[in-house]
Amino acid sequence: DVVMTQTPVSLSLAIGQPASISCKSSQSLLGTSGKTFLNWILQRPGQSPKRLIYQVSKLYSEVPDRFSGSGSETEFTLKISRVEAEDLGVYYCWQGTHFPYTFGAGTKLELK
Amino acid sequence: EVQLVESGGGLVKPGSSLKLSCVASGFTFSSYGMHWIRQAPKKGLEWIALIYYDSSNKYYADSVKGRFTISRDNSKNTLYLEMNSLRSEDTAMYYCAKTDYWGQGVMVTVSS
Repeated sequence: DVVMTQTPVSLSLAIGQPASISCKSSQSLLGTSGKTFLNWILQRPGQSPKRLIYQVSKLYSEVPDRFSGSGSETEFTLKISRVEAEDLGVYYCWQGTHFPYTFGAGTKLELK
Repeated sequence: EVQLVESGGGLVKPGSSLKLSCVASGFTFSSYGMHWIRQAPKKGLEWIALIYYDSSNKYYADSVKGRFTISRDNSKNTLYLEMNSLRSEDTAMYYCAKTDYWGQGVMVTVSS
């Protein structure tokens, strides 16, 4: 199975500060279609996960442009240019290239 | 608006069975693959099953293979998860997901 390793485990940031979360996979997520199925989701406290980014860097329409995703093959990054209060929660990366699909362990973003 | 509403959870004894349902609305259900993903209490996310839009292919995590069955009824816009031989480690919130949208989840507790 593909192991997804997220770092850091937690982040404590003040509003307005930038954030960066790393996600590394144990094998390349580049699929035979030429697409890389690496997604980012956010689970706010007490809620189900919400979509953020798909195929490494494509933001869903409702996601603010302070979020960005980058990377390739086995190394990926989620960045928030300026953290806002609504951004707190647990961020997960997950891969949909290889079965079984697998998730990172999550990065908890807390506000200082 | 995409909505996914799970039902059928509850408290059951080890070794018993349970069937979860997920009613979808707000999109063309019959055109999309659907997942079941679970989250044990205070833990991360675990993908457990995927079914193609036309039921032609089904994939499972090793942890549930042979015990759980994913199915769908496109005429009813409904996704199912039949769970047999339940174990205490199956205790979790079970989410129905369209890859980019997730339901609110339904709790399954396996305990004697």
